Amino acid sequence: GEQVEQRPPHLSVREGDSAVITCTYTDPNSYYFFWYKQEPGASLQLLMKVFSSTEINEGQGFTVLLNKKDKRLSLNLTAAHPGDSAAYFCAVAYTEGADRLTFGKGTQLIIQP
Amino acid sequence: EAAVTQSPRNKVAVTGGKVTLSCNQTNNHNNMYWYRQDTGHGLRLIHYSYGAGSTEKGDIPDGYKASRPSQENFSLILELATPSQTSVYFCASGDGLGGGAETLYFGSGTRLTVL
Repeated sequence: GEQVEQRPPHLSVREGDSAVITCTYTDPNSYYFFWYKQEPGASLQLLMKVFSSTEINEGQGFTVLLNKKDKRLSLNLTAAHPGDSAAYFCAVAYTEGADRLTFGKGTQLIIQP
Repeated sequence: EAAVTQSPRNKVAVTGGKVTLSCNQTNNHNNMYWYRQDTGHGLRLIHYSYGAGSTEKGDIPDGYKASRPSQENFSLILELATPSQTSVYFCASGDGLGGGAETLYFGSGTRLTVL
């Protein structure tokens, strides 16, 4: 089945710096890619959903890059602020139905003042 | 606003006891899911459902049963709880978009400790 490797497991950056979280996947038929954010003590919430035909997707304060050739998905936070402190999970879907949604193991991001 | 509500929020159980985790959603979604979250493993799918009366096995179903009596409710049942089932459990509903585009909406989680 699909394998998703997420790196790094822990990341600490200073406020105002950038932070990059990367996921690599194995199935070339992967179709949709997701980033979920989990704030401390809270549930997971969708940060962004990326379709496989779009390589660059921009949100508020972050960019998601998809490199299909290398099977790599990255979340780039620009100018990190304290509200970005959270766990981030990537997830990959490669066929219909979320029974085929595979999550990465997560990255615990800490923003230092 | 759409919502997924889990109960209880915290639960302590004894080994060999029966535990039922409940989930209610007001999203009117057909699809519902149970995941467990453990350090170093991320989220792993236990059971899921495509609608009332349906339950399907996920990636780690052993030791768990599921019940979907209605569109809104989806329960996870541990008939004989073991310490290895100590974890945080998340319920989610899915908006049903096909082609892998489905977005999941998660509940707040249940922290289960089996002594």
